[in-house]
Amino acid sequence: AQRVTQPEKLLSVFKGAPVELKCNYSYSGSPELFWYVQYSRQRLQLLLRHISRESIKGFTADLNKGETSFHLKKPFAQEEDSAMYYCALSEEAQGGSEKLVFGKGTKLTVNP
Amino acid sequence: NAGVMQNPRHLVRRRGQEARLRCSPVKGHSHVYWYRQLPEEGLKFMVYLQKENIIDESGMPKERFSAEFPKEGPSILRIQQVVRGDSAAYFCASSPLPGLQDTDTQYFGPGTRLTVL
Repeated sequence: AQRVTQPEKLLSVFKGAPVELKCNYSYSGSPELFWYVQYSRQRLQLLLRHISRESIKGFTADLNKGETSFHLKKPFAQEEDSAMYYCALSEEAQGGSEKLVFGKGTKLTVNP
Repeated sequence: NAGVMQNPRHLVRRRGQEARLRCSPVKGHSHVYWYRQLPEEGLKFMVYLQKENIIDESGMPKERFSAEFPKEGPSILRIQQVVRGDSAAYFCASSPLPGLQDTDTQYFGPGTRLTVL
């Protein structure tokens, strides 16, 4: 079965420090991977996806098929980065649905 | 563009009652997904619908749960005879028609938190 694992439930760093949120996946085909973020009292929103290979709010994520990982990185964390981060995999299923398989999430806290 | 709307935001039901959750997708989106998030868990797929059609309900419990997305109006997730284990956050997401930009991006609503007493 397809699975997304985020090994860290909580992650705390100081402002200006580098941050890496880990994500590993298992998928039999060619995966499409995403990072979603949920700021306090806001809805889940897309942060970035691997096919676009872009940097959003200073965050990047590289798909490593050999290690089946899609870790999210930022060189200098900011306090406003504090949020819940979910790694997700798009699974093509019946009828053309592209359902998302989510990890359990990592709560990032950036301390001043 | 108000984004995906869900109501109610909070719903309290007693065991055995019915819960009805509504989702209005982004204007112009015809694909709706429902996900459930239990405490301390990630979101889990429940059902995928297009207008008037259930396309994939592989994540739906076999009993008591149903979903619809009528030609007019919001998508509805209905839970009959709720039990305490149904307490969770239910999220709806929508995406555009195939072939349009961001087809593979799902836009999420704020969720409905269901509490079963």
